[in-house]
Amino acid sequence: LAKTTQPISMDSYEGQEVNITCSHNNIATNDYITWYQQFPSQGPRFIIQGYKTKVTNEVASLFIPADRKSSTLSLPRVSLSDTAVYYCLVEDTGTASKLTFGTGTRLQVTL
Amino acid sequence: DAGITQSPRHKVTETGTPVTLRCHQTENHRYMYWYRQDPGHGLRLIHYSYGVKDTDKGEVSDGYSVSRSKTEDFLLTLESATSSQTSVYFCAISEDISYEQYFGPGTRLTVT
Repeated sequence: LAKTTQPISMDSYEGQEVNITCSHNNIATNDYITWYQQFPSQGPRFIIQGYKTKVTNEVASLFIPADRKSSTLSLPRVSLSDTAVYYCLVEDTGTASKLTFGTGTRLQVTL
Repeated sequence: DAGITQSPRHKVTETGTPVTLRCHQTENHRYMYWYRQDPGHGLRLIHYSYGVKDTDKGEVSDGYSVSRSKTEDFLLTLESATSSQTSVYFCAISEDISYEQYFGPGTRLTVT
């Protein structure tokens, strides 16, 4: 079971780039890495997913080193509306029974 | 937003009573999931379904059962609710395993 470890909280100023790192030392060959964002009183929302190297979409980038034991979510130029909890999820493509979200990283963005 | 609804949105019940939560989707996705979210624990998978009448256990399945008789509906039942089952319950759907999940708005359940 691939467990994940993330910082409990981070603070940033508006306009800065934020990098949130997730550690997943026991990641298996079939596992994908997925990040979700959650606002208070809402369900999580998909941000980005990757398997190796770098993935970029319109809202974020995901960096995965060659050993895949960690990954970094990069949010460019954050705004106040990016204040949320961010979850790293390692997904086994063979079964859904091992899906486990960690406690997430609470990002606070201020002016 | 993905067409996924949960009912009820809020429920207060007494210890020992049965409770059923409903998740309904209009996306025709194969996978459906039930999670619970508690302070300090993040989201934990209770049960999931990979098709009609095909279900499996997640990390915290004790005390819960599920049923999926139609593609669009996934029911979570607490046979005899306990105070430890007070939580926020989220349903999610995905086209396939490892695909992005779409979450419902959640159900806040309080067991007194």
